[in-house]
Amino acid sequence: QSALTQPASVSGSPGQSITISCTGTSSDVGAYNYVSWYQQHPGNAPKLIIYTVTNRPSGVPDRFSASKSGNTASLTITGLQAEDEADYYCFSYRSGNTLVFGGGTKVTVL
Amino acid sequence: EVQLVESGGGLVQPGGSLRLSCAASGFTFSTYNMKWVRQAPGKGLEWISHIGNSGSPTYYADSVKGRFTVSRDNAKNSMYLQMRNLRDEDTAVYFCARDSGQGGAMDYWGQGTLVTVSS
Repeated sequence: QSALTQPASVSGSPGQSITISCTGTSSDVGAYNYVSWYQQHPGNAPKLIIYTVTNRPSGVPDRFSASKSGNTASLTITGLQAEDEADYYCFSYRSGNTLVFGGGTKVTVL
Repeated sequence: EVQLVESGGGLVQPGGSLRLSCAASGFTFSTYNMKWVRQAPGKGLEWISHIGNSGSPTYYADSVKGRFTVSRDNAKNSMYLQMRNLRDEDTAVYFCARDSGQGGAMDYWGQGTLVTVSS
């Protein structure tokens, strides 16, 4: 089961905006609105920050937003802050009752 | 407060078996689907199993299908992962997570338990 494709790393300065892409296929990202995003700081469990493509759980800052176009989902962090430095993973349902993560993107705040 | 606590990790030889547990509290366990996710040292997240709220359906990643079995005991608010024929590449931190019911997204996670497969 191949992972969804994410850039290995993305960086930005405080206050800037960055976007992380998550490319799948017509069997996963392109077929279902079941994309979620997770933030993971070193040594910690992942934290849900986006569900069903665009929705933020309560308590997640509104500088986190997400969208989807075709087979690619995207996570945007607007007004980057030091505490946003972490690994980010997309996750999607894939036809055939499987689920798949992206390879992960390391976000560095310069 | 929702809490998920994994246990049962440890060192096991290749070909051996191990059973992980996930103890849930702070929510009505029997009404939620649950998942297992693992993370090899220095690597990304890998989904490995899903179990429905009543114990079915169950789904597995190809990498563990036929070797791992997920189950749950709603009376004990617990989920389990029976791992057999373990391989070096199964070495990872294993997380249990609650399925939010929103497109399979996992809204609560345990702290993880480390499984090391080595001779």
